[in-house]
Amino acid sequence: DAGITQSPRYKITETGRQVTLMCHQTWSHSYMFWYRQDLGHGLRLIYYSAAADITDKGEVPDGYVVSRSKTENFPLTLESATRSQTSVYFCASFSGTPDTQYFGPGTRLTVL
Amino acid sequence: DAKTTQPTSMDCAEGRAANLPCNHSTISGNEYVYWYRQIHSQGPQYIIHGLKNNETNEMASLIITEDRKSSTLILPHATLRDTAVYYCIVRVRTSGSARQLTFGSGTQLTVLP
Repeated sequence: DAGITQSPRYKITETGRQVTLMCHQTWSHSYMFWYRQDLGHGLRLIYYSAAADITDKGEVPDGYVVSRSKTENFPLTLESATRSQTSVYFCASFSGTPDTQYFGPGTRLTVL
Repeated sequence: DAKTTQPTSMDCAEGRAANLPCNHSTISGNEYVYWYRQIHSQGPQYIIHGLKNNETNEMASLIITEDRKSSTLILPHATLRDTAVYYCIVRVRTSGSARQLTFGSGTQLTVLP
């Protein structure tokens, strides 16, 4: 199916563990984004990527690592999870026509 | 990007038009008005955008005042499934280099049966 998917949809992990959130899009959009959404803060950009092998930091990148070896995939890794990284994570890809971002369904991550 | 001001919440009767206002008094000439919505527990969804002319698509209409300092998103026949947080975002249209979206607090629209 065409679109943007995220996995897992729900994840519970412990402090200090490494966690990778997956994002996959079928449109071959060049730009992809990772946001986190917390109560009281709205959506905040973590990282974005302009193309395969090109990534850049957003507003809140600390504690996260991204990679993009293929256009369609944009994984987000928490190298050593902390409780403050408990959040809902949204992946998005950008289309120029119309000028908009398409968001995935989100991953709800809980760090105990 | 220009700052936007939206009411915190609004109610609308099912079947009636929902009119969601947005103030953006510091908007620049090259900034567009975008509307997204986020239904509970889902990712944000693009609705519509415009520069200065009124726009309409299958989801909604966007009315931008002549001075461009405010706009209104119109859902012509609101249904219960339109209950969501609606975000008004003002920014320069991307042109070869996409930019992040900056979401404010938005308006919680509740459609009542």
